[in-house]
Amino acid sequence: DAKTTQPPSMDCAEGRAANLPCNHSTISGNEYVYWYRQIHSQGPQYIIHGLKNNETNEMASLIITEDRKSSTLILPHATLRDTAVYYCIDPANAGGTSYGKLTFGQGTILTVHP
Amino acid sequence: NAGVTQTPKFQVLKTGQSMTLQCAQDMNHEYMSWYRQDPGMGLRLIHYSVGAGITDQGEVPNGYNVSRSTTEDFPLRLLSAAPSQTSVYFCASSYSFGDPPRKLFFGSGTQLSVL
Repeated sequence: DAKTTQPPSMDCAEGRAANLPCNHSTISGNEYVYWYRQIHSQGPQYIIHGLKNNETNEMASLIITEDRKSSTLILPHATLRDTAVYYCIDPANAGGTSYGKLTFGQGTILTVHP
Repeated sequence: NAGVTQTPKFQVLKTGQSMTLQCAQDMNHEYMSWYRQDPGMGLRLIHYSVGAGITDQGEVPNGYNVSRSTTEDFPLRLLSAAPSQTSVYFCASSYSFGDPPRKLFFGSGTQLSVL
C-alpha cells in the first residue's frame, strides 16, 4: 500500500509560516500528491495537489522535492483558524476506478498559537 | 450549489436497529464514497461508487450496504447496528475525470452512536 509519513503534531505562532513535511517515498511517477485538512468536527477540505513542480494557490504552497519522495505544505501566514489536522495523501492506485479512492492516515495536528 | 449534503447530523440507535444515512450531491459528480472516522484515527473507506448502478467495497465494508440508483444520491445502510459502528460518517464526491481527479468534496458528517 502507498504510505505517507507525517509528524504527529506541530505548533506554529500566529502570523508565522507553518511548514508541514511529508515523506511519500513509494509514490509512483505519474501520481499526484494531495493535501487535505480537517478542522475539528468538520469534513476534510481539499487544499492543494502537485506532481513535480511547486504549486501555489490561495490557501497554501506546495514544495515537492526533485526525487518526489517528499513534500512540504506551507501556510505562509498561519492564523488561529488554520488549527486542524493536515493530511498528506499518496493515492493508492493510479487512474481507473481508483478516482477519489483516497486513503487518509493519521495526519499532522497543527496548532496555531496566539 | 449546496455541495454534498448529509442527513441526519446526529443519530442514536439501539443494537440491532437498521437505518439509512443519506448523502446527496448537486455537482453532477460521478464518483461518491463513504468514510468512517473513529476517535484518534484517520478516515477509512467503507464503500464507493464510480457511477449510477456501480458500487464497490472499500477498506471496511462489513455491516454496511450501498446502492447508487441516481447520480445524485448514495445512501449508506446499516442493516443491524452494532456498537462497533459508533463513529462519524462522511460522504464525499468527485469528478471521475478532469483536473484533479481526486479532489474530493466532503459533507459535514453524521455522528452515529449505537447503544
